[in-house]
Amino acid sequence: QSVLTQSPSASGTPGQRVTISCSGSSSNLGSSAVNWFQQVPGTAPKLLIYSNNQRPSGVPDRFSGSRSGTSASLAISGLQSEDEADYYCVAWDDSLDAYVFGTGTKVTVL
Amino acid sequence: QVQLAESGGGVVQPGRSLRLSCAASGFTFNSYGMHWVRQAPGKGLEWVALISNDGSMTHYTDSVKGRFTISRDNSKTTLFLQMSTLRPDDTAVYFCARALGAAHGVPDFWGQGTLVTVSS
Repeated sequence: QSVLTQSPSASGTPGQRVTISCSGSSSNLGSSAVNWFQQVPGTAPKLLIYSNNQRPSGVPDRFSGSRSGTSASLAISGLQSEDEADYYCVAWDDSLDAYVFGTGTKVTVL
Repeated sequence: QVQLAESGGGVVQPGRSLRLSCAASGFTFNSYGMHWVRQAPGKGLEWVALISNDGSMTHYTDSVKGRFTISRDNSKTTLFLQMSTLRPDDTAVYFCARALGAAHGVPDFWGQGTLVTVSS
């Protein structure tokens, strides 16, 4: 049972901007950094954003993250066909003493 | 480059045990924490366990506490997950992943996963 809630799906046409939300509580997003993963079905997840808004080397600057209170969001600008994937937020939960993943959002490029 | 290769998956009956391994290369293994994360067929990601770089600290998700044990052999750059009293809802692809840092940083590099099927 996921502790972080995401909208099940999002979509856009090439070049558009898409935003994915992640909602949590005071014990996770309210006190810990959020991180985001991209997973193309059948492959291993890839770290997109860590520590709220940091991009690992090699991740395009089209991807950006933010966190405010007990919510976070991932924005994809200049949407491309290769961005079609599942996206997950994840954060440390101080009450559970564990990492918790979001429910996942499927992004479709129309 | 960072490489993580899981092994040990397979079909196992409920109540039995299984040990997964993750062979690491391409980085200084004893400087990084390590994670296990699983994904049931057609479902989302679920974090399972974490071990610090020196093995002194471990954390588990509630559903596996008392049944699973994460460990590591830094001399062999290998991570393990000992799973006991397996249940059908443990069926999943199990990924090992390197942590961002020595303690409980987020997973950054991931292996390709190994499938565990718990079924009679």
